[in-house]
Amino acid sequence: SQTIHQWPATLVQPVGSPLSLECTVEGTSNPNLYWYRQAAGRGLQLLFYSVGIGQISSEVPQNLSASRPQDRQFILSSKKLLLSDSGFYLCAWSVGQAYGYTFGSGTRLTVV
Amino acid sequence: QQQVKQSPQSLIVQKGGISIINCAYENTAFDYFPWYQQFPGKGPALLIAIRPDVSEKKEGRFTISFNKSAKQFSLHIMDSQPGDSATYFCAASSNQFYFGTGTSLTVIP
Repeated sequence: SQTIHQWPATLVQPVGSPLSLECTVEGTSNPNLYWYRQAAGRGLQLLFYSVGIGQISSEVPQNLSASRPQDRQFILSSKKLLLSDSGFYLCAWSVGQAYGYTFGSGTRLTVV
Repeated sequence: QQQVKQSPQSLIVQKGGISIINCAYENTAFDYFPWYQQFPGKGPALLIAIRPDVSEKKEGRFTISFNKSAKQFSLHIMDSQPGDSATYFCAASSNQFYFGTGTSLTVIP
């Protein structure tokens, strides 16, 4: 069966520090991968998606970046965090656009 | 531009009552309409989904009603329970996924 792993679960980082969040998928090949951000009490904002290794599409301009070094690995990074980067970050995967997403358990990021 | 409009933003229902969440869309190319349930501190999980060739889909206490001509679909939760208290997202997709803004449901015992 397919599973998605996302870590860490919680993270507190100072302003200006770097960020690296990792997401891995098991049990499937060539998945579409996504990074979403959810502000407190708000909806889901698509940040990045990838349809293959090294292929990254950005939906929202910001100081975040994403990389896909392996087929089932998706990394969200920042060189210098801002207070506004605080939120709940979710990784998700799908097989094509016509089927549902499977979300990871999320990372609660607090920038202080 | 919000591709999928969801209402209400929040909903309070008595235990045993019916919870109804509505979504509307404009893009007639959408061909898949899922609903997600999210508990606090967790990722959203697929609850139920429908394709536009049917008008209703039922799974246990959860039902999607789909009105293709009105470009609307809704989630009905029958016999709502306190354990149903969560945030619910509708979504629509063709070659890209679009989520509604979410509805916070509270079921009062």
